[in-house]
Amino acid sequence: RKEVEQDPGPFNVPEGATVAFNCTYSNSASQSFFWYRQDCRKEPKLLMSVYSSGNEDGRFTAQLNRASQYISLLIRDSKLSDSATYLCVVKVSNYQLIWGAGTKLIIKP
Amino acid sequence: EPEVTQTPSHQVTQMGQEVILRCVPISNHLYFYWYRQILGQKVEFLVSFYNNEISEKSEIFDDQFSVERPDGSNFTLKIRSTKLEDSAMYFCASSGGQGSYYGYTFGSGTRLTVV
Repeated sequence: RKEVEQDPGPFNVPEGATVAFNCTYSNSASQSFFWYRQDCRKEPKLLMSVYSSGNEDGRFTAQLNRASQYISLLIRDSKLSDSATYLCVVKVSNYQLIWGAGTKLIIKP
Repeated sequence: EPEVTQTPSHQVTQMGQEVILRCVPISNHLYFYWYRQILGQKVEFLVSFYNNEISEKSEIFDDQFSVERPDGSNFTLKIRSTKLEDSAMYFCASSGGQGSYYGYTFGSGTRLTVV
């Protein structure tokens, strides 16, 4: 049973394109939601929290649909440095994060 | 920017040996965590620690595992008798609170290889 599910990719997109990632989660009691990015063999780094009303941080926009148990991340005007694996993360208790397997993004010049 | 520091960066050990992975969380953080990531797989929760005790642990965190905060700055993960399947990247993390939107800061990880 996959608790947090993501398209594994890879997504190969040209520099400057817009790319969207989707994520679904199974635990309806999930408390909060995040997107992390992980470079190859590095630690995950928090990209942004996902708020119920949706939120934006520069070129990044996150959306949450609690009814559908669906989270999205949109990256506009993609840069070469955006190449990484994007991890959808759901907080299911006070302390525990459940991680998706990640979607690999490759930005081509 | 404050960092979570982990040592060593890479540890090779023989099956059956004990290993201790060390972490120095961010100094004013109160909540500490260990996660692991087997190569090519998902990040998995192991344990959380608050107020000098385990607050939550996963099924992975069996009797072979223990955590300790021996001196108010270090946070350690001990694996008593390592198995081949313990080979993974182990990440320590800390957070300043446990409210819904507190993000976690991760260390750069210790790559454990059991041979």
